[in-house]
Amino acid sequence: QVQLVESGGGVVQPGRSLRLSCAASGFTFSSYGMHWVRQAPGKGLEWVAVLWFDGSNKYYADSVKGRFTISRDNSRNTLFLQMNSLSAEDTAVYYCAREDYDSSGYLYGMDVWGQGTTVTVSS
Amino acid sequence: EILLTQSPGTLSLSPGERATLSCRASQSVSSNYLAWYQQKPGQAPRLLIYGASSRATGIPDRFSGSGSGTDFTLTISRLEPEDFAVYYCQHYGSSPYTFGQGTKLEIK
Repeated sequence: QVQLVESGGGVVQPGRSLRLSCAASGFTFSSYGMHWVRQAPGKGLEWVAVLWFDGSNKYYADSVKGRFTISRDNSRNTLFLQMNSLSAEDTAVYYCAREDYDSSGYLYGMDVWGQGTTVTVSS
Repeated sequence: EILLTQSPGTLSLSPGERATLSCRASQSVSSNYLAWYQQKPGQAPRLLIYGASSRATGIPDRFSGSGSGTDFTLTISRLEPEDFAVYYCQHYGSSPYTFGQGTKLEIK
């Protein structure tokens, strides 16, 4: 079945780095744009970054620009999020999500989500 | 950047009642790229509506979306017990893919 599984979360000290992974299965990963979305404890959803299906374009939220890098390895069906210079404000559950589309390029929103991985930034 | 404002913040209703949730955008949403998601505690969000008014796969027909431009609505025609959750609207298709702050639908 179509599935996304995040990993790599944990407790990290302020200023340190962490890399999250998102393993995709059950669909042609290389054909889809992929996102990272996060949710701080008790808060709403915050979009973090998007990477096009072929890696040609990537965009970031202002809150992470210059510190986070989204990438993918289509040969391994895996999405990554490299997070540097972490601060307490980055503490959140991080979800990866697939952006669906049709043959005309019309977009359908984020139709598949992982279960999330928790990142806690604390000394 | 398109800012999305959802109202009300909390909506208290009983099963069987009709729910109307609003999402207002700070500027016109192109191609009606406006989605609605449902999130229950401890779970990932679930796509309900895309393109402002199209139901995602497997979503019951008691959920409907409407609107265009800057004003959008999610309607749940007859609330079932499993519908009590937090609902988010989202602009997508161009960066930044902003979410509204959410509406909590709670049992009265």
